[in-house]
Amino acid sequence: KAGVTQTPRYLIKTRGQQVTLSCSPISGHRSVSWYQQTPGQGLQFLFEYFSETQRNKGNFPGRFSGRQFSNSRSEMNVSTLELGDSALYLCASSSSGQGAYNEQFFGPGTRLTVL
Amino acid sequence: GENVEQHPSTLSVQEGDSAVIKCTYSDSASNYFPWYKQELGKRPQLIIDIRSNVGEKKDQRIAVTLNKTAKHFSLHITETQPEDSAVYFCAASRGNQFYFGTGTSLTVIP
Repeated sequence: KAGVTQTPRYLIKTRGQQVTLSCSPISGHRSVSWYQQTPGQGLQFLFEYFSETQRNKGNFPGRFSGRQFSNSRSEMNVSTLELGDSALYLCASSSSGQGAYNEQFFGPGTRLTVL
Repeated sequence: GENVEQHPSTLSVQEGDSAVIKCTYSDSASNYFPWYKQELGKRPQLIIDIRSNVGEKKDQRIAVTLNKTAKHFSLHITETQPEDSAVYFCAASRGNQFYFGTGTSLTVIP
């Protein structure tokens, strides 16, 4: 099976711009989660989508949004970029539904730099 | 919500020694505790996990213990090797929402 893929791998934007990141989960996986990784902060949960519905949400401002398509591919959007949004954005997919033990498989990440 | 604390943030050991990383969690409803290894420039990879109905799990040189009463779990790596050098993350989960610790940077000195 192909692993989780993310595009693009690297992005450079300026403050105030918006950006869209894409994640393709492992075939058959219906859950996609997004994380922000910064040095010293570990992985911070952004949101999780399952069957095109946002099921869980972390403590990030409304500038961070996402969606999931019928083929389980997911996109994350950040509007009005700030310098502090510079980070590695990881997505992870898993197969099971709510209540099960769900192993997550991570993508390689998108490195976003905001200038 | 859940809060996961991980210690230490950095750890250096001599090759062949053991390494222990500890995590605590706050939500007693968390029932799944995976550990991830992230090498420099690479994605996190699951190395071992434990479910809340199990107290200990071992896989070759890696073991994880869980104390539900105290709400803490630990990763034990024995006979460390240079290729064990990486950042290790613990996580606590209930359903599909995962909370990660801030990571431990392990360096194994040859």
